Amino acid sequence: GESVGLHLPTLSVQEGDNSIINCAYSNSASDYFIWYKQESGKGPQFIIDIRSNMDKRQGQRVTVLLNKTVKHLSLQIAATQPGDSAVYFCAEYNAGNMLTFGGGTRLMVKP
Amino acid sequence: DVKVTQSSRYLVKRTGEKVFLECVQDMDHENMFWYRQDPGLGLRLIYFSYDVKMKEKGDIPEGYSVSREKKERFSLILESASTNQTSMYLCASTAPGRLSGNTIYFGEGSWLTVV
Repeated sequence: GESVGLHLPTLSVQEGDNSIINCAYSNSASDYFIWYKQESGKGPQFIIDIRSNMDKRQGQRVTVLLNKTVKHLSLQIAATQPGDSAVYFCAEYNAGNMLTFGGGTRLMVKP
Repeated sequence: DVKVTQSSRYLVKRTGEKVFLECVQDMDHENMFWYRQDPGLGLRLIYFSYDVKMKEKGDIPEGYSVSREKKERFSLILESASTNQTSMYLCASTAPGRLSGNTIYFGEGSWLTVV
C-alpha cells in the first residue's frame, strides 16, 4: 500500500512572539549541528549551525542552543514574523561524514 | 548564483513504470546526494556519490539506483515505481572536505506521485 508518513508536529505562535523549536538528536558522537528552514515547495535553506564545543550561537533573530548532556538542540526565533512560517528541521553530523536529519516541526505564525 | 537544479518538479507515474529524476549542479562539486522527504520522517538518504561513476548506498537504497556519468549530473532511477515511493525527492551537493551548513546546496525538490 501507499506509504503514509508520520504526523508533522506543529507550533503555532502569534506574530511578534518568540518561537522555540526543539530537536533531540541521537548520536553522542555528533559534533556539528545545523538548522534548516523549508518553505512550501522549496528545498531546505541553511539558517544557523553550531559545533559541539559551543553551547549557544546567535544569528540575526535566531539563536541555537545545544545541550550535549541530554542531546537536545533548540532554535529560538525572536519576534516571529509571518515570513518565518515554514517547516524547520535539525541535522546532526558526525565523523562518518553523513548528515542525519530530524523529522521537522511546522511553524505557523498567526497575524 | 549557485544552483542545484531538479528538472522535474512534479511527476505522476504509474505503478511499474521506470522513473528518472535528474539533478544538475553548476558548482563543480564532487559530492552529490539523493534524499526522500516524508512528513515526520525528515530527509532520508537514498544514495550518494563522491565522484564520477562512483556511488554508495545510503539508508534506504531499496527500490532505487543511481547514475553519475558526469560530475555535474546525478540521476535517481526507480526501476519499477511503486506506490510507496510516492514522496518528495531532494538532491543536494557539497564540495569535499569538512562539512559546513552553508556549503550544502539543495535543489527545490521533485514531487513524485505513483498511482
